Amino acid sequence: NAGVTQTPKFRVLKTGQSMTLLCAQDMNHEYMYWYRQDPGMGLRLIHYSVGEGTTAKGEVPDGYNVSRLKKQNFLLGLESAAPSQTSVYFCASSYGQLNEQFFGPGTRLTVL
Amino acid sequence: ILNVEQSPQSLHVQEGDSTNFTCSFPSSNFYALHWYRWETAKSPEALFVMTLNGDEKKKGRISATLNTKEGYSYLYIKGSQPEDSATYLCAYTGRDSGYALNFGKGTSLLVTP
Repeated sequence: NAGVTQTPKFRVLKTGQSMTLLCAQDMNHEYMYWYRQDPGMGLRLIHYSVGEGTTAKGEVPDGYNVSRLKKQNFLLGLESAAPSQTSVYFCASSYGQLNEQFFGPGTRLTVL
Repeated sequence: ILNVEQSPQSLHVQEGDSTNFTCSFPSSNFYALHWYRWETAKSPEALFVMTLNGDEKKKGRISATLNTKEGYSYLYIKGSQPEDSATYLCAYTGRDSGYALNFGKGTSLLVTP
């Protein structure tokens, strides 16, 4: 099992460019999450999904959109990247609300 | 936004010392408390998920307790080893927060030989 994978691992964008981060899990988990990690901050939830076709906003959703068209994939989109979105992005998945979350390796994004 | 506070922010101990960290969280509408271990250049890995007041969990030399009525959890490491060096995160989820996890900023532990 690959667990949770993220694509790409690194990316540099210019302000205003768009991109999509892909998260994939092969554990048949219902729940998937996108977090961002910034220096001096805890992991902050951007968006999450409790099942295929459903998404919900987390703590810091502005500037991001997500889609969960397939159970195993959770996409995070930046329509018009801003320097404030420079961060490390982690995807996670879990079987249920009371189950441990499994994290991907992270995507380091720099917006110039 | 729910405040999850962890203390201390960082800790430096000698190999063989026992240590403990604190996580405090809102005591109302409690649903679950998670502990994760995060090594440098890796991803967070789950240690415990705790749901009941008075819960105690143990994994090897690491254990955790939970007090939902007063809103705190302790993580204990007995006989710290250099490989225990990592950041330890706690995360709270409540019934009034959409069941999403709210992470603390973590306690950074360094164990030197």
